[in-house]
Amino acid sequence: DTEVTQTPKHLVMGMTNKKSLKCEQHMGHRAMYWYKQKAKKPPELMFVYSYEKLSINESVPSRFSPECPNSSLLNLHLHALQPEDSALYLCASSQTGHLPGETQYFGPGTRLLVL
Amino acid sequence: AQTVTQSQPEMSVQEAETVTLSCTYDTSESDYYLFWYKQPPSRQMILVIRQEAYKQQNATENRFSVNFQKAAKSFSLKISDSQLGDAAMYFCAYRRGGANSKLTFGKGITLSVRP
Repeated sequence: DTEVTQTPKHLVMGMTNKKSLKCEQHMGHRAMYWYKQKAKKPPELMFVYSYEKLSINESVPSRFSPECPNSSLLNLHLHALQPEDSALYLCASSQTGHLPGETQYFGPGTRLLVL
Repeated sequence: AQTVTQSQPEMSVQEAETVTLSCTYDTSESDYYLFWYKQPPSRQMILVIRQEAYKQQNATENRFSVNFQKAAKSFSLKISDSQLGDAAMYFCAYRRGGANSKLTFGKGITLSVRP
């Protein structure tokens, strides 16, 4: 099973709402990633968890809060977002996060619209 | 800082023909990996091919091959016998060696395949 799943597929939220994005993988990977992707642009790295510890935080605003409850699950908690945060949010996983040649396996993404 | 440049935003190829997508990068590192990722419309991003900088031999994966010119810092992707399913956005990416490095993506190129 080489699949990364993400829920929900689509999310519309107001600027005062609190919502969460969920990502799951069952490949035994120990690294998980959150990316933000605007239309026709490359993914921008937000966070990396390696062995359930936050290893990279790309200076993301505090209205985005990641959580890694276990090695298979990754959440992104959203609060007080801005319309410019509307984007496709991609989750990815890889074997360890430490080997530079590792393949990253991407999920289908959650398309977020902030009104 | 490392940069990855994909200067062509769009390309088109006739089905069954061959197309080459260009990518250049800039780095002062000697240990790194280069990747091509494919993102079909509304589908998951997947790894197409990877090249380790220390390996002189160009990587190949079925119809996909690379032309890795280390001195020129060039990493182009050749797609032979193009198929309709090859239509996608293609991202060239770089990752330096060592732990806690991240993928640096180029801007991407949209490839369309004419039947």
